[in-house]
Amino acid sequence: DGGITQSPKYLFRKEGQNVTLSCEQNLNHDAMYWYRQDPGQGLRLIYYSQIVNDFQKGDIAEGYSVSREKKESFPLTVTSAQKNPTAFYLCASSTWVGETQYFGPGTRLLVL
Amino acid sequence: GIQVEQSPPDLILQEGANSTLRCNFSDSVNNLQWFHQNPWGQLINLFYIPSGTKQNGRLSATTVATERYSLLYISSSQTTDSGVYFCAVGGSSNDYKLSFGAGTTVTVRA
Repeated sequence: DGGITQSPKYLFRKEGQNVTLSCEQNLNHDAMYWYRQDPGQGLRLIYYSQIVNDFQKGDIAEGYSVSREKKESFPLTVTSAQKNPTAFYLCASSTWVGETQYFGPGTRLLVL
Repeated sequence: GIQVEQSPPDLILQEGANSTLRCNFSDSVNNLQWFHQNPWGQLINLFYIPSGTKQNGRLSATTVATERYSLLYISSSQTTDSGVYFCAVGGSSNDYKLSFGAGTTVTVRA
């Protein structure tokens, strides 16, 4: 069963803590993306990766970091430098950049 | 970046009604996608349509790239069509970022 999985579904962060959100795909897609969605708004791009060991900043990369060591995986770390991390985080993938994007179910991050 | 405006912001429909959602964008695009976000947050890709017309069941979309707009048509709406519809566009061939509109919230009443 092909698709994109994100974990956890809900994540709680304490002040000053780094947290990592998981995104895995078994669609054999080269490109992967991370978006942030705030209530009542559209999605904003955090980072994207065209291929393994390569990634590019999106529009709101400050306070976030990513890695792409495997084709299937694109984890996102929300660092303590991100002062307003509470949001819905969505991971997506596509066969290649610029192609149709397919989304995972998302992770809701809340700050305690 | 490219500005994306969607209208109307909210739409309430009776089951069985037809509707049209609009997406205007501020510059030339080589990538335009329509998505549906269900009440649980899952986004589903509806169309990849930088130009032309496509149909998928009760949904169809038309993009007139020269006039910088796209339309999404929902016919014979069902309660399962409720959710938020997003238009997202991408510009130059060297910039793979998608810019999302704020969405149209559709509520279909039985």
